[in-house]
Amino acid sequence: QIQLQQSGPGLVKPSQTLSLTCAISGDSVSSNSAVWNWIRQSPSRGLEWLGRTYYRSKWYNDYAVSVKSRITVNPDTSKNQFSLQLNSVTPEDTAVYYCVASKQWVFDSWGQGTLVTVSS
Amino acid sequence: QSALTQPPSASGSPGQSVTISCTGTSSDVGNYNYVSWYQQHPGKAPKLMIYEVSKRPSGVPDRFSGSKSGNTASLTVSGLQAEDEADYYCCSYAGSNTGVFGTGTKVTVL
Repeated sequence: QIQLQQSGPGLVKPSQTLSLTCAISGDSVSSNSAVWNWIRQSPSRGLEWLGRTYYRSKWYNDYAVSVKSRITVNPDTSKNQFSLQLNSVTPEDTAVYYCVASKQWVFDSWGQGTLVTVSS
Repeated sequence: QSALTQPPSASGSPGQSVTISCTGTSSDVGNYNYVSWYQQHPGKAPKLMIYEVSKRPSGVPDRFSGSKSGNTASLTVSGLQAEDEADYYCCSYAGSNTGVFGTGTKVTVL
């Protein structure tokens, strides 16, 4: 049973970088079957898949077109966690952010969610 | 990538059935069997209810079933119960290593 624990600030200023971390228990970030995702939810945009990282003999990343120029998802093998960085945020990036474990495109373990507000 | 289209709301009385549609395109729902459904209660994270169009994870009641025809997937909840009142979202693989969610449907148990 995978459990995910999110951490990070709930308030970010416009033009700055949003950074969140997701600690994994019950599996390894280097697993050859799991995929580690970030998904956000807002009233205006609904649920939106943002990006993922996974290990299959080497590390891979995939990102949504809508945020591709601003997003980085990184694994941290020393701490068994992964992170989200979203640069140059605007109020449109205000949302609840979830870290999610998946097998392929089946999102079966979700973190508790973090409300991130972009405001000065 | 545009969101998959779901009706904003659906309702039924206890014991009845409700079916929610999820309409995409030949680039997502119509081309892959990676359609999943999620239930979300207020203030909670979404919960996986159906994956790969019609498979149920262990622990999900068999009242929940999924299907697909062409570019439209469907979730049916049979024998509605009060605890089924929630928001439901579909999701599909959309090619090029990306995924897309539906707009969401609020199910009300009358």
